[in-house]
Formats: sequence, C-alpha cells, structure tokens
Amino acid sequence: DIVLTQSPDSQSVSLGERATINCKSSRTLLSSSNNKNYLAWYQQKPGQPPKVLIYWASIRASGVPDRFSGSGSGTDFTLTISSLQAEDVAVYYCQQYYSNFRTFGQGTKVEIK
Amino acid sequence: EVQLLESGGGLVQPGGSLRLSCEASGFTFNTYAMNWVRQSPGKGLEWISGISSSGESTYHAGSVKGRFTISRDNSKNTLHLEMNSLSAEDTATYYCVKDVGRGDDFYHLDSWGQGTLVTVSS
Repeated sequence: DIVLTQSPDSQSVSLGERATINCKSSRTLLSSSNNKNYLAWYQQKPGQPPKVLIYWASIRASGVPDRFSGSGSGTDFTLTISSLQAEDVAVYYCQQYYSNFRTFGQGTKVEIK
Repeated sequence: EVQLLESGGGLVQPGGSLRLSCEASGFTFNTYAMNWVRQSPGKGLEWISGISSSGESTYHAGSVKGRFTISRDNSKNTLHLEMNSLSAEDTATYYCVKDVGRGDDFYHLDSWGQGTLVTVSS
C-alpha cells in the first residue's frame, strides 16, 4: 500500500496568517503517462463528511476559495491556506489515487491561535 | 444535486454481519465508480472498498479483504457493503462516496453521504 504521512499532526494559526500542511508519499504519485500527480486534499469540519478541496495536486475544486492552494510533485505535496479564516478550522487529509487501493494521510487539525 | 443516502448501520455483536446500502440520486449512477470510506470515532479516514461503474472490478483494503464485499445494483441506483466477521475495530461511521472516475477509472472523491454508524459490541 502507498503510505501518506502528513505533517504536522496539528497546527495553531492566527487569523489572517498562513497555514501549511505537508503530505509525503511512500511512492511517487506522478504518472509518467500523463504527467499528473494523483493526489487530492479534503477538508472535514466537525460533524460533517469530508469535502474535496484540491485534486491532481493543484487544481481547486469548484467553489473552493482561492486562499486554498496545492503544490508539489512526485512524493512531496503541500496544502497552503494563504490567509486563515475562522471557517477554515477543520481537519485536512491528503489522499492518493495513483493506486486503485486508495489511502489517506492521517490528517492535520488546523485551529485558531 | 448529487445525493447519497446510507442505511443499514446499527449495533451488532462481535462476529456478526451487517449489510449497508446507499441510495444514489442526482447523477447517472451506472457511469461512475463508487466507494466506501469509514471513520472510527475520533480517528481519521480509511478507504475500504471501491467498485467500477459496471461492478465487474472491485477493490478492498487489506483490513477488510475477505470479510467485506462491495457490490452495486445499477438498476436500482444502489451501492451495497456486505460486512461479515465484524469486530470492535470495525466500529465506525461508514460513508458512501462517489468517485470522479468513470468506468474502470478511479480518481478523487467528489461527493459524500452523511454516513451511517456501525457499532460492534456485545
């Protein structure tokens, strides 16, 4: 199985400041056939199911504010929230779909400092 | 609007069985791959099963392989998860999740149900 390791496990960030979450894969998620990275990011707020934020490592899903951005390639990826808002308090997960046996990172909890 | 409505959760004894169902609407069900993802109380997300649009290809995580079976009835727009030999470690909220992938392709997960809680306890 492809193992995804997120860092940090939790993060306290002041309103308006930047939050950065990392996701490291045990195998490359970059396909040589189409040059795409098979990685997505999800946001889960308390009591709600997850919601996709980013796919193909850097493409924002419909309706996602542009303060959310994804970057990285191969085995190392980053989700950045450029200016943290109160409504961004949530747990964030990366997920690979390079393998049909999908896996998630362990999650990163983002709180307001 | 995509809607995914799970049912079938509840309390079951260790070693018991349960069948979850997910009624889908708002999209062409027989076109898209589907998945089950679970979340133990206070824990992270675990993908457990995926199925192609036709139902011919299925995939199960190692933690449930041989015990759980994913299936679909495209005539009824319904996804199922048959769960056997349940243990306390299977206690979780089970989410029915639509894939962006069509046919035999699996990509990211774009629509989630509200989940159904399965509790395994004596």
